[in-house]
Amino acid sequence: GENVEQHPSTLSVQEGDSAVIKCTYSDSASNYFPWYKQELGKGPQLIIDIRSNVGEKKDQRIAVTLNKTAKHFSLHITETQPEDSAVYFCAASGAGWGKLQFGAGTQVVVTP
Amino acid sequence: GAGVSQSPRYKVAKRGQDVALRCDPISGHVSLFWYQQALGQGPEFLTYFQNEAQLDKSGLPSDRFFAERPEGSVSTLKIQRTQQEDSAVYLCASSLTLGGRSSYEQYFGPGTRLTVT
Repeated sequence: GENVEQHPSTLSVQEGDSAVIKCTYSDSASNYFPWYKQELGKGPQLIIDIRSNVGEKKDQRIAVTLNKTAKHFSLHITETQPEDSAVYFCAASGAGWGKLQFGAGTQVVVTP
Repeated sequence: GAGVSQSPRYKVAKRGQDVALRCDPISGHVSLFWYQQALGQGPEFLTYFQNEAQLDKSGLPSDRFFAERPEGSVSTLKIQRTQQEDSAVYLCASSLTLGGRSSYEQYFGPGTRLTVT
């Protein structure tokens, strides 16, 4: 089955700096890669996603890149703000019913 | 535009008790997923419904776990004879459908935190 690894496990950045989180996946059939933000006591919130026929996608301060050959994808957050502090999860989904395999998460702390 | 709702938000059960966790998906969403999230971990897939049909239950950890979605809308996850290792947050997610370009987005509810004592 699919295995998703996520790094780093914690990331501390100064407000205004950029943050990058990287994930690798094992199943070459995976074709959908969402990123979720989870705040304490809440459910995961979809923030951006990318499909396998696209190499990069941007939405304001966040962007995701996908390298299918290397089987890795990354989340980039620019101009970080304190409200970006949360746990971020990457996930991958392959053929079939769309079940998601999640990474272990990255705790992002943005300090003012 | 209500999102996915789950109830109860918190549940404390004594070991051996049965519990039932409810999920109300976004109206019109065909697909419904249950995930289990242990403390400090990413969500782990439990089971999947397309309308009322349970098409994948490969993630259910034991036969004490049972899920249903009898009318293709609300779903219930039942855990019989709860054990301490069942303590986790149980998340429900719904998705519009499968097969189209915008079909994979899964929207999560707030979860039910289950504590077994």
